Amino acid sequence: GNSVTQMEGPVTLSEEAFLTINCTYTATGYPSLFWYVQYPGEGLQLLLKATKADDKGSNKGFEATYRKETTSFHLEKGSVQVSDSAVYFCALGAAYNTNAGKSTFGDGTTLTVKP
Amino acid sequence: DAGVIQSPRHEVTEMGQEVTLRCKPISGHNSLFWYRQTMMRGLELLIYFNNNVPIDDSGMPEDRFSAKMPNASFSTLKIQPSEPRDSAVYFCASSSGGWRDYGYTFGSGTRLTVV
Repeated sequence: GNSVTQMEGPVTLSEEAFLTINCTYTATGYPSLFWYVQYPGEGLQLLLKATKADDKGSNKGFEATYRKETTSFHLEKGSVQVSDSAVYFCALGAAYNTNAGKSTFGDGTTLTVKP
Repeated sequence: DAGVIQSPRHEVTEMGQEVTLRCKPISGHNSLFWYRQTMMRGLELLIYFNNNVPIDDSGMPEDRFSAKMPNASFSTLKIQPSEPRDSAVYFCASSSGGWRDYGYTFGSGTRLTVV
């Protein structure tokens, strides 16, 4: 079945450091891939997505590229801010509506950015 | 759009009492998901609906949990009787489905405390 493996946390960085959070997946078909962010006390928010191989999703300075050959979707940001401190979830979508849009989530990676 | 609306935001109840959590999905979304989040177990999918029909309830922990979706704009998750181990944050999410998954919109969650 589908599965997502995320880099274990927590990750602690200084402000303006480069961020990478690794995500790899196992899936049948060609699902969409997502990154969600959860700020303290809030629900998950869709951060970015990519719907096919070689697509690059981007938002708020974050980027991730759908790599079919390495089954990866690593999240990157060139210069993190304190306000980026949150939990980040990688998720695998359903392919061709086979599961009525059911996604598979990773375990989440906690990022703390220190000033 | 007001997004996915959950109520109540916080619920404190005594063990053995019935608890009902409510969710209003985004208009036009045809899939609805109930999740539970705890520190120990992370994010767990409890049940999801497509076009108001329950598709997979294998994540419902036991018979004390039940969920309904009487129409496209409303869903409930009921716990009867509640137990302290049910304490968690419960999230509702909706998505537009379709042949290509475009991701979920989550509500702000209901923090349930059973004492």
